Amino acid sequence: KQEVTQIPAALSVPEGENLVLNCSFTDSAIYNLQWFRQDPGKGLTSLLLIQSSQREQTSGRLNASLDKSSGRSTLYIAASQPGDSATYLCAPNRGGSNYKLTFGKGTLLTVNP
Amino acid sequence: NAGVTQTPKFRVLKTGQSMTLLCAQDMNHEYMYWYRQDPGMGLRLIHYSVGEGTTAKGEVPDGYNVSRLKKQNFLLGLESAAPSQTSVYFCASKLGAGNSPLHFGNGTRLTVT
Repeated sequence: KQEVTQIPAALSVPEGENLVLNCSFTDSAIYNLQWFRQDPGKGLTSLLLIQSSQREQTSGRLNASLDKSSGRSTLYIAASQPGDSATYLCAPNRGGSNYKLTFGKGTLLTVNP
Repeated sequence: NAGVTQTPKFRVLKTGQSMTLLCAQDMNHEYMYWYRQDPGMGLRLIHYSVGEGTTAKGEVPDGYNVSRLKKQNFLLGLESAAPSQTSVYFCASKLGAGNSPLHFGNGTRLTVT
């Protein structure tokens, strides 16, 4: 069974800092991996999807990397802003239909002005 | 473009009562999913559908039933609610198989007393 661990569980940084969120998973036979953001009382918003054949994916100030063989992914946020405050979840996917998607418990990020 | 819409947003039930949660998507997505999110447990898959008229069990299906009579709608039913079903329920949809991202609704907060 896929186990997903996200470290740290919570992180508080001052505005403007660059930061890295970590995700590790036990089964490296994945099809892709998604990073999501969840604001309080809201659903999840997909940020980035990295295919198993890719090493990196970028969107604006966000960069996600994937090292499938070691079971690790990182989400790098550049020049953090208070609006980045949210819970970030990673979800490796073992199958193309997403029904084998396993979610981590998330990292709660607070960016202080 | 509304995306994924869940109704109702909040509901309180007494033990033994029944209810149906509705999920509607306007993106012509083939795949739809029901998750529950509980503190300390993360997101867990209840049931999913890979097309109109199809449904399948996820990780925690007991006590729930689903139907996908129309492509745009995915209904989650609780026949006899129990306090253990107190949770936040999220519906999600995906275009199809392959590397397309998952889109979530904003959730239904259900309390069973």
